Amino acid sequence: DSGVTQTPKHLITATGQRVTLRCSPRSGDLSVYWYQQSLDQGLQFLIQYYNGEERAKGNILERFSAQQFPDLHSELNLSSLELGDSALYFCASSGTADTQYFGPGTRLTVL
Amino acid sequence: GQNIDQPTEMTATEGAIVQINCTYQTSGFNGLFWYQQHAGEAPTFLSYNVLDGLEEKGRFSSFLSRSKGYSYLLLKELQMKDSASYLCAVKTHRDSNYQLIWGAGTKLIIKP
Repeated sequence: DSGVTQTPKHLITATGQRVTLRCSPRSGDLSVYWYQQSLDQGLQFLIQYYNGEERAKGNILERFSAQQFPDLHSELNLSSLELGDSALYFCASSGTADTQYFGPGTRLTVL
Repeated sequence: GQNIDQPTEMTATEGAIVQINCTYQTSGFNGLFWYQQHAGEAPTFLSYNVLDGLEEKGRFSSFLSRSKGYSYLLLKELQMKDSASYLCAVKTHRDSNYQLIWGAGTKLIIKP
């Protein structure tokens, strides 16, 4: 158990819909990262937050957005969903050592 | 540009030794991570190298040569549960922030 929690574990929705994925980092970690991993693909970095502020952006679509709240939990919002958005979405957190610890992921299926 | 290369897939036999290589070309280097990822599960941290040389952790060892832009992960006494993908990631510094550049991963298949 990494100490990072993600909800929900599974999510099934239809094209055009909007969903919100939630992540709680390890106790004391200020950085949160979001990744997308499609079937049999590598990890695609989406976005990083540090203590409530956006710190780095990767290949995140304009239809996707994220935020980190004062209690340090983070949410990833995916809108106007397409079939190609079906993937595993991982959240990771890190402290001062920069080692990232991953949550169990949310499996999103868009039908 | 930023580039990390790993073999796509490797096969090894239970009880044997396997070496998974990772070469990188990045603008800046602040360390290299290895992660293990079983299918459908989260990546889990294995090792971190920032200085040249070999770091040993039980059956797993990781080596780094910064001058050659090269690292390897060595797995000894292979077990069936070692069947997984192994991800190499380089830590770089950009815009006052550290970030990880991820390789595509090496899928390791262990045969009895």
